[in-house]
Amino acid sequence: DVKVTQSSRYLVKRTGEKVFLECVQDMDHENMFWYRQDPGLGLRLIYFSYDVKMKEKGDIPEGYSVSREKKERFSLILESASTNQTSMYLCASSFPIGGHSNQPQHFGDGTRLSIL
Amino acid sequence: ELKVEQNPLFLSMQEGKNYTIYCNYSTTSDRLYWYRQDPGKSLESLFVLLSNGAVKQEGRLMASLDTKARLSTLHITAAVHDLSATYFCAVEAGTASKLTFGTGTRLQVTL
Repeated sequence: DVKVTQSSRYLVKRTGEKVFLECVQDMDHENMFWYRQDPGLGLRLIYFSYDVKMKEKGDIPEGYSVSREKKERFSLILESASTNQTSMYLCASSFPIGGHSNQPQHFGDGTRLSIL
Repeated sequence: ELKVEQNPLFLSMQEGKNYTIYCNYSTTSDRLYWYRQDPGKSLESLFVLLSNGAVKQEGRLMASLDTKARLSTLHITAAVHDLSATYFCAVEAGTASKLTFGTGTRLQVTL
């Protein structure tokens, strides 16, 4: 089974702190994604990466950055946390479109982040 | 910009009843996914629909895709309490494997 592991289930930080959310997958997936989930808004894509050291902005990248130094690990960074970044953050991974195109994105359990 | 709309947003139904959740999207796509999310849990993949006319069934759930109408449906047959969850559709457009999600349908099945 695919395993996508997020480092924390719950995290509480203070406004202005630099926050790191870590995600590791064990399926050798090329693609990795960071979403945030808010009530009534569904999931919104923050950033994604289709290869080591590659990154692309999603729909809501402002206030976030990412790092992908190894294929299995994708980090989301809140440079200076603000209260409007309080949310559930979900990491996902997948193969690219092509040979494995019938496989969905696989999600981690999520990190519920509160910024005080 | 791809937009994905689900309706209804909330659905309360009795056990044994049938109902359909609708997912409309705004641009051409041949790939659509349905996920289930239980409270406090992550998303679990239910169906992958890859072509026009695709139909997939698992237990009491059946999903279909009409790419010409840009519409997918998730049909629930004889609902049971265990189906209570939030259901999301997600559309993959272009070549970048990016998904755009609908806002979700919260299904509550009452006894």
